[in-house]
Amino acid sequence: AQSVSQHNHHVILSEAASLELGCNYSYGGTVNLFWYVQYPGQHLQLLLKYFSGDPLVKGIKGFEAEFIKSKFSFNLRKPSVQWSDTAEYFCAVKREVIKAAGNKLTFGGGTRVLVKP
Amino acid sequence: GAGVSQSPSNKVTEKGKDVELRCDPISGHTALYWYRQSLGQGLEFLIYFQGNSAPDKSGLPSDRFSAERTGGSVSTLTIQRTQQEDSAVYLCASSPTSGRQGEQYFGPGTRLTVT
Repeated sequence: AQSVSQHNHHVILSEAASLELGCNYSYGGTVNLFWYVQYPGQHLQLLLKYFSGDPLVKGIKGFEAEFIKSKFSFNLRKPSVQWSDTAEYFCAVKREVIKAAGNKLTFGGGTRVLVKP
Repeated sequence: GAGVSQSPSNKVTEKGKDVELRCDPISGHTALYWYRQSLGQGLEFLIYFQGNSAPDKSGLPSDRFSAERTGGSVSTLTIQRTQQEDSAVYLCASSPTSGRQGEQYFGPGTRLTVT
């Protein structure tokens, strides 16, 4: 079965530090990749997505992610975090299939990020 | 524009009772998804509707769970004979297409507590 792994469950860092969150998936076919963020008390929001093309994708709020197909990875990065980046981050994978079914997202377990002011 | 809305935002019910959770997708979105977010299991897919196609029910955890989507818009998730392990946040998402560009937009969720 397809799975998505996020290596860190909790990350604590100070403002201006760099952030990198790992994400690996197990499916060998063509995939679409996403990072979602859930700020405290808010609903899931899309940070960035990868469908094809340049493996380095840029999202909102200064986030970027790199798709490395050979490593089945899609790590999220931000060079300098702010206190407002405190949130839970979820990696998600969607298999690219032709038929209508199979469009569900499979999520990683999430990483809680706490940025200390 | 209006996003995905869900109601109620919170629901407390007694074990054994039935509950209905409602989702209003973004207008014009053809695909609708239900997920469940719980402490022990993370975010899990439950069911997916796309237009008039048969829904993908592969994520429903038991036959106590069912969902329907009327008129290709509003969806209701029903849980019969609720159990304590059903306590979770139930999330609805919609997307403009089921295809490769169909990123999903999530609602705020319904927090279900079974006592």
